[in-house]
Amino acid sequence: SQQGEEDPQALSIQEGENATMNCSYKTSINNLQWYRQNSGRGLVHLILIRSNEREKHSGRLRVTLDTSKKSSSLLITASRAADTASYFCATDEGSNAGNMLTFGGGTRLMVKP
Amino acid sequence: DAGITQSPRHKVTETGTPVTLRCHQTENHRYMYWYRQDPGHGLRLIHYSYGVKDTDKGEVSDGYSVSRSKTEDFLLTLESATSSQTSVYFCAISEPLRQGHYEQYFGPGTRLTVT
Repeated sequence: SQQGEEDPQALSIQEGENATMNCSYKTSINNLQWYRQNSGRGLVHLILIRSNEREKHSGRLRVTLDTSKKSSSLLITASRAADTASYFCATDEGSNAGNMLTFGGGTRLMVKP
Repeated sequence: DAGITQSPRHKVTETGTPVTLRCHQTENHRYMYWYRQDPGHGLRLIHYSYGVKDTDKGEVSDGYSVSRSKTEDFLLTLESATSSQTSVYFCAISEPLRQGHYEQYFGPGTRLTVT
């Protein structure tokens, strides 16, 4: 079963617009991470937010975390065609010996030039 | 890319045949993982390893076995491939960050088709 569920499943925007993706999860977490996957490639780590943090920035990325609602959002500002990819949230429940992550189903983002 | 390679990158095999996928890493990471990725299911963990000869099952381990006889290699075996195992398989390692947090680095993937 998936810990994280992304919403929407697909998103299409124009270059320059902002893109917001949401992730909901079910159990308590140690941290939540966002990954990006370009077509035909492996996932690439974007940003990690710890359970005691509420907001984090990295370049054009802004991540928020609301542990009371068990939800997170990823905002990409001033999107570019190169941002076209699938984006996944992943949760670290912090209680396992294998440092495992549980991934959601992903949001497919298309940025039109 | 954390020095992760997967082989083969593409494979087509027939139902009932054994298949072994290899993940190789060059940076002495302790934790390694095998995932499968299917449309509508995201990434699902098959097996993971926390050291040489130390492995454990993930969410979708039925029909798969793994072995790790050396730190650098983590092998995934389908003893008798079935069409439901047609998928893209990703290997990953876990890289420690500060204060007990980890991020994962992924290999390029292996596209397996079982006919």
